[in-house]
Amino acid sequence: KQEVTQIPAALSVPEGENLVLNCSFTDSAIYNLQWFRQDPGKGLTSLLLIQSSQREQTSGRLNASLDKSSGRSTLYIAASQPGDSATYLCAREVTTDSWGKFQFGAGTQVVVTP
Amino acid sequence: DTGVSQDPRHKITKRGQNVTFRCDPISEHNRLYWYRQTLGQGPEFLTYFQNEAQLEKSRLLSDRFSAERPKGSFSTLEIQRTEQGDSAMYLCASSLGKTGVYFGPGTRLTVT
Repeated sequence: KQEVTQIPAALSVPEGENLVLNCSFTDSAIYNLQWFRQDPGKGLTSLLLIQSSQREQTSGRLNASLDKSSGRSTLYIAASQPGDSATYLCAREVTTDSWGKFQFGAGTQVVVTP
Repeated sequence: DTGVSQDPRHKITKRGQNVTFRCDPISEHNRLYWYRQTLGQGPEFLTYFQNEAQLEKSRLLSDRFSAERPKGSFSTLEIQRTEQGDSAMYLCASSLGKTGVYFGPGTRLTVT
C-alpha cells in the first residue's frame, strides 16, 4: 500500500525559530507534490506546488524541496511567527492523469509560541 | 470569485438518517473533488467530476454514498442510512484543468 508519512506529528517552537517539516513516501513514484496548510476546523490552503520535473519551490519564508530518488519532501519555514500555527499537510498526485486526486499525509501540527 | 463554498458547515444527524451536502465550486472550474477527513488524519479522496461526468470513485465510497453534479456547476453528496463511522469532515475542492486546486471550508458531520 502506498503511504505518505509526515514526521514529526506535532511540533512546538518559540517564535523566530526555523521550522523543518518532513514528508516521505513508501515508493518513489512521485508526480506533482503540494504542501497545504489547515487551520483548526477549516479547509485547506495550498502553499507550494512542486511539479514532478522540479526540485524545489519558494514563496516568501517558505521553501519546499523534493527528492524523488529518496521519496522525500521537506518544507522549511524561516523565522516562524505565531500566525504560522496550523497543521501542515503534504500531498502527492497518485498518477500523471490524476490532477487534484491527492494522497495526503496525516499532517504535522505546528504551534509557534510568542 | 468568492472561493469554494459548502453548505451546511455543520450537520448533526441520528444514525440511520439520510443527509445531503452541497458544494459550489469557483465559477467556471470544470473539476470538482470530494474528500473525507477524520480527526487527526489527512483527507482521503472520495470522487471527482469533470464537468458533469463523475470520472472516478474511491473504494471508500460505499453504496450508501452518491454524488452528483447535474449541470457541471454545483455538486451534492448524499449519504443514506448514516452510520457513526460516517462522522467526519467532508471537503470539496475545485480546479480549472491543471491549475491550482482550491478547497472549501468543509462540512462537519456528526452522527449520533
